[in-house]
Amino acid sequence: QSVLTQPPSVSGAPGQRVTISCTGSSSNIGAGYDVHWYQQLPGTAPKLLIYGNSNRPSGVPDRFSGSKSGTSASLAITGLQAEDEADYYCQSYDSSLSASYVFGTGTKVTVL
Amino acid sequence: QVQLVQSGAEVKKPGSSVKVSCKASGGTFSSYAISWVRQAPGQGLEWMGRIIPILGIANYAQKFQGRVTITADKSTSTAYMELSSLRSEDTAVYYCARAAGTTGAFDIWGQGTMVTVSS
Repeated sequence: QSVLTQPPSVSGAPGQRVTISCTGSSSNIGAGYDVHWYQQLPGTAPKLLIYGNSNRPSGVPDRFSGSKSGTSASLAITGLQAEDEADYYCQSYDSSLSASYVFGTGTKVTVL
Repeated sequence: QVQLVQSGAEVKKPGSSVKVSCKASGGTFSSYAISWVRQAPGQGLEWMGRIIPILGIANYAQKFQGRVTITADKSTSTAYMELSSLRSEDTAVYYCARAAGTTGAFDIWGQGTMVTVSS
């Protein structure tokens, strides 16, 4: 029942650029709430990758960047590396669901 | 640096309850919101609810209202999530996560607790 929609999978060769979209609505992203992105490697807890739409926590490579426009947000990975193969989730806040946080449907990134 | 350490795996019968703990170490606990997020096998992340320990106020996702209770013990820097009336669909890894400041981003996560519901 995720209210944020992501493509199920994206892929790219090492060194390429890939983007992941996160589509919401007027009650979440479109209402101005921040979007955050997480990377989840197999069998591990999610890790914060981007916060506040476009900010990287300390230690996150600048190959990762985020943007937001209207009711959507995007995560870009440039210079794709083998260790980037993981699941990625966007997250925001939704004012229509008893004041709750919401996650995207998740995207599997495959490095060819 | 704050770490969140969760209790161990649980196996429960349908209809019973489970209580998972999340202990913070190495930093301030009370002033940050602690959320609980679950992930069913092969599925995505699902927010269940949160608590702000210093206020003792919890709020829950509509889906879990009436079935989940989130509490916190400031004296031991530990948050708890109790889920009742368990069914097989509740089989999942349950994570606690700290919200960073006012952004709402979850910057620190526990290691996860596997809860299996099976007869």
